[in-house]
Amino acid sequence: EPEVTQTPSHQVTQMGQEVILRCVPISNHLYFYWYRQILGQKVEFLVSFYNNEISEKSEIFDDQFSVERPDGSNFTLKIRSTKLEDSAMYFCASSEYRAGNTGELFFGEGSRLTVL
Amino acid sequence: QKEVEQNSGPLSVPEGAIASLNCTYSDRGSQSFFWYRQYSGKSPELIMSIYSNGDKEDGRFTAQLNKASQYVSLLIRDSQPSDSATYLCAVNILSENNRLAFGKGNQVVVIP
Repeated sequence: EPEVTQTPSHQVTQMGQEVILRCVPISNHLYFYWYRQILGQKVEFLVSFYNNEISEKSEIFDDQFSVERPDGSNFTLKIRSTKLEDSAMYFCASSEYRAGNTGELFFGEGSRLTVL
Repeated sequence: QKEVEQNSGPLSVPEGAIASLNCTYSDRGSQSFFWYRQYSGKSPELIMSIYSNGDKEDGRFTAQLNKASQYVSLLIRDSQPSDSATYLCAVNILSENNRLAFGKGNQVVVIP
């Protein structure tokens, strides 16, 4: 069964360092998303991406964050200068149709980011 | 008002009983409603989607939607220990390009 894959599964970094989280969405999906979940809290929307551009982003997704689809398969989230409060599980998701418009989100297993 | 609210605390049900979960949402324009299951330390997994008023059944799961009252519910019949997880309600936010907003989840513990 097709799945969304994410790497790394866990990354530990020092505050102020840059981090890149990678995702390979399901191959025929067109819509890509990043969500995050701070331990014990709800899943929060960060950004959606379609047709090689950001279609929606939340207040969390400030100038420190960026997304890119460098080739036909990868979808990356970059955090330029990590802060302690960026420690969370980051989930990549993809959907064939626009999520929320009958598009069902399929999540990857997540990348746990720990900022020290 | 929160976009998606799931207010009840952990729910403990005996094996074989019915677990009932509720969710309310604030955006009257929302059209798509989902229930995800999340095991501890794992990613959310879609278990039900519902788009029109009424009930939708899939195996032991039944989703109920009432757009007039802005609530969605999930019933789990014949609860099994493997149903022990956190259940997340998700709703599309029409005014924000249809992004999905999640509730904080309801933890269900099925007691053998």
